[in-house]
Amino acid sequence: AQSVTQLGSHVSVSEGALVLLRCNYSSSVPPYLFWYVQYPNQGLQLLLKYTSAATLVKGINGFEAEFKKSETSFHLTKPSAHMSDAAEYFCARRAPTGSARQLTFGSGTQLTVLP
Amino acid sequence: EAGVTQFPSHSVIEKGQTVTLRCDPISGHDNLYWYRRVMGKEIKFLLHFVKESKQDESGMPNNRFLAERTGGTYSTLKVQPAELEDSGVYFCASSQGSTSTDTQYFGPGTRLTVL
Repeated sequence: AQSVTQLGSHVSVSEGALVLLRCNYSSSVPPYLFWYVQYPNQGLQLLLKYTSAATLVKGINGFEAEFKKSETSFHLTKPSAHMSDAAEYFCARRAPTGSARQLTFGSGTQLTVLP
Repeated sequence: EAGVTQFPSHSVIEKGQTVTLRCDPISGHDNLYWYRRVMGKEIKFLLHFVKESKQDESGMPNNRFLAERTGGTYSTLKVQPAELEDSGVYFCASSQGSTSTDTQYFGPGTRLTVL
């Protein structure tokens, strides 16, 4: 089955420290990949997406992710965590071809930022 | 521009009752998706509308769920009769196009609790 795996359901970092949230995909054809963030009581917001152009993708709020085909990974990073980054983060995939247009999500990673 | 809105934000019903969830997509978005997250698990796809037509309903769990999108504007998702396992957060998303690169914009979700 084509899936997305997020390692670590909970991640804690100190304010100012590096944020690294892991995402791996499994599929025979490299998919399109997305990172979404959900702040409390809000909908999911797109942080960034990979659609087979540049492998290093920059998103909003200082986040970026690098697509690595050899590692089947799309990890999300931010050099310096801010308290406002505390939220739940979701990695998702979508088939680049075919009729299916739905997103397939990982199980989510709750990020806590410690003062 | 208004985002995707969902109503109600919370619903608590008893097993066997009927509940109808509503989603208003972003104006002009022909594509509308329903997703569900059950008890901290992955967000899972339910179905996809293109205008008023069901493009893909492969994720609908059973025939107790009925989705409609009359006139190609807002959509409703009815659960009848509700069961305990239907509890979760129901998300709606919309997109302007339906290619694999199009961004899906999510609503805040409806939290359904079945007692």
